[in-house]
Amino acid sequence: RKEVEQDPGPFNVPEGATVAFNCTYSNSASQSFFWYRQDCRKEPKLLMSVYSSGNEDGRFTAQLNRASQYISLLIRDSKLSDSATYLCVVNSGDYKLSFGAGTTVTVRA
Amino acid sequence: GAVVSQHPSWVICKSGTSVKIECRSLDFQATTMFWYRQFPKQSLMLMATSNEGSKATYEQGVEKDKFLINHASLTLSTLTVTSAHPEDSSFYICSASLRRDNPYEQYFGPGTRLTVT
Repeated sequence: RKEVEQDPGPFNVPEGATVAFNCTYSNSASQSFFWYRQDCRKEPKLLMSVYSSGNEDGRFTAQLNRASQYISLLIRDSKLSDSATYLCVVNSGDYKLSFGAGTTVTVRA
Repeated sequence: GAVVSQHPSWVICKSGTSVKIECRSLDFQATTMFWYRQFPKQSLMLMATSNEGSKATYEQGVEKDKFLINHASLTLSTLTVTSAHPEDSSFYICSASLRRDNPYEQYFGPGTRLTVT
């Protein structure tokens, strides 16, 4: 079983829509969780950390459910510039990060 | 701040040759650097973790004699793909960790796209 699993999508949504997706992780001892964004053929960039109480950064809201071992990301009022692949990232111990394969979001005009 | 560069950004080489990729932290000293590989439509896979002045720690399945890592200073780590073969063609990305108390916070370089013909 992969350490981090994501629905690859793609999620095709119109501008202004809300889109949400999850990822699940297998290591119950994981402590840190992140969402990264990766544009085509570019490096990943940190979008936001995910805290136990859930957190929001502008139009982005992240939630953590430790009991079910999943993390979610919700994007409100989608912009064309939100089109990207969103990577779920979990620390796998010894300061290493495990990456999901990504969920592709395409926002259309 | 926290900028990481990689060089070259892309390289094409012939099978059997060696390729060196540099990763530099430009405006900070990196306690730890990480090397990842990403195949198309797949996740980033950690290859190795390197700390300045010590031997790199390789992930299971990664050949240390094929992927030579040298971390000579707090701002430079190099990955050498020796005797490259077409199956080594991939996107190689390095990252650097800024602080010892938060090694999860990694800053990524722009990646190096390697094509072996």
